[in-house]
Amino acid sequence: DAGVTQSPTHLIKTRGQQVTLRCSPKSGHDTVSWYQQALGQGPQFIFQYYEEEERQRGNFPDRFSGHQFPNYSSELNVNALLLGDSALYLCASSYGTGNYVQYFGPGTRLTVT
Amino acid sequence: QQPVQSPQAVILREGEDAVINCSSSKALYSVHWYRQKHGEAPVFLMILLKGGEQKGHEKISASFNEKKQQSSLYLTASQLSYSGTYFCGTDMNRDDKIIFGKGTRLHILP
Repeated sequence: DAGVTQSPTHLIKTRGQQVTLRCSPKSGHDTVSWYQQALGQGPQFIFQYYEEEERQRGNFPDRFSGHQFPNYSSELNVNALLLGDSALYLCASSYGTGNYVQYFGPGTRLTVT
Repeated sequence: QQPVQSPQAVILREGEDAVINCSSSKALYSVHWYRQKHGEAPVFLMILLKGGEQKGHEKISASFNEKKQQSSLYLTASQLSYSGTYFCGTDMNRDDKIIFGKGTRLHILP
């Protein structure tokens, strides 16, 4: 049973560019949440997708957007990259909504230069 | 609204016990505990729901004081594999918007 997978593993971008990160949820899961984790900090909630719609959003600017596909996989897009966007981006999947257990993927390490 | 974890770091010898605390200034619906090793994804340990329901690993125990908005994670007879950073996450509105604390770094010595 495959767990949560994310791609790519690492990414280096230049300030001002755009980036797309991808996530495939654990088998049987239909909900995907995205988090940003800066070095030495806890994960920060970006948004959650359920039934192909953004269900919840954290305190992140509109430069951060996402999408969920019919197969429940998801993308995180970040436009106009800033140096401060450098972080580990984690995807977590769960079944349904309402405080079910979230399982995290290995993350994508984004470096903005 | 970010929960506060204590202590920030702790060093133990194998076999010793540890308690990690998590407190919030807001009423909580649930508390989630994860452990993250360096360079790896956070791993689920325990979820505690308002009303007393708990889901998690058999060897991990935790408590949730709903009145005080506090949770504690109990690690007994610690093993080397327990080393890592422990995060508590809180959900105030049962909306899956989990806010994580800054973490507690646990190091187990042989």
